[in-house]
Amino acid sequence: GQNIDQPTEMTATEGAIVQINCTYQTSGFNGLFWYQQHAGEAPTFLSYNVLDGLEEKGRFSSFLSRSKGYSYLLLKELQMKDSASYLCAVRDGDYKLSFGAGTTVTVRA
Amino acid sequence: TAGITQAPTSQILAAGRSMTLRCTQDMRHNAMYWYRQDLGLGLRLIHYSNTAGTTGKGEVPDGYSVSRANTDDFPLTLASAVPSQTSVYFCASTPSSGATDTQYFGPGTRLTVL
Repeated sequence: GQNIDQPTEMTATEGAIVQINCTYQTSGFNGLFWYQQHAGEAPTFLSYNVLDGLEEKGRFSSFLSRSKGYSYLLLKELQMKDSASYLCAVRDGDYKLSFGAGTTVTVRA
Repeated sequence: TAGITQAPTSQILAAGRSMTLRCTQDMRHNAMYWYRQDLGLGLRLIHYSNTAGTTGKGEVPDGYSVSRANTDDFPLTLASAVPSQTSVYFCASTPSSGATDTQYFGPGTRLTVL
């Protein structure tokens, strides 16, 4: 089976930066996704990495190191609306998506 | 733009009863998926369909069946519900089953089996 680990919870202050780490061990690799999920809602796509390095998209950036089986999602200039769960997902060799349990981020004023 | 719709939004079901969760997408996506989401376990794939007329088993298929008669619809059936099937069910779709395609999720169905 696939193994995807990320912290359960993180708390940060409005305006600060938070980094959510994700480590994975999967049968093959065809890309890593980050999704945001607000309570009671569906996950929505944030970012996709397939090559090593940093992908920047506004206040959100995602990094991938395939040799280390490691990714992180960086949230800058935190806003209250960023309080949500962040899901790390890896597309394996069969092109199936496996999800981590999610990291709940709480932004405090 | 509707995207993906699911019905019902929520349901309470007696154990042993059958139920079909409906999922419809209007994006003409070829691939569709059913996940369940449980606290502390994340999203787990139940069944998938890479194209109309084909289906496959995911990580947790037992107790569930699917069909894909056309591109738009991908219903999930619980033949005889058990309490362990209490969960939030999400349907998702992608343009194809390729590596770079992003999954788009429906709003979810909250199912409680008593």
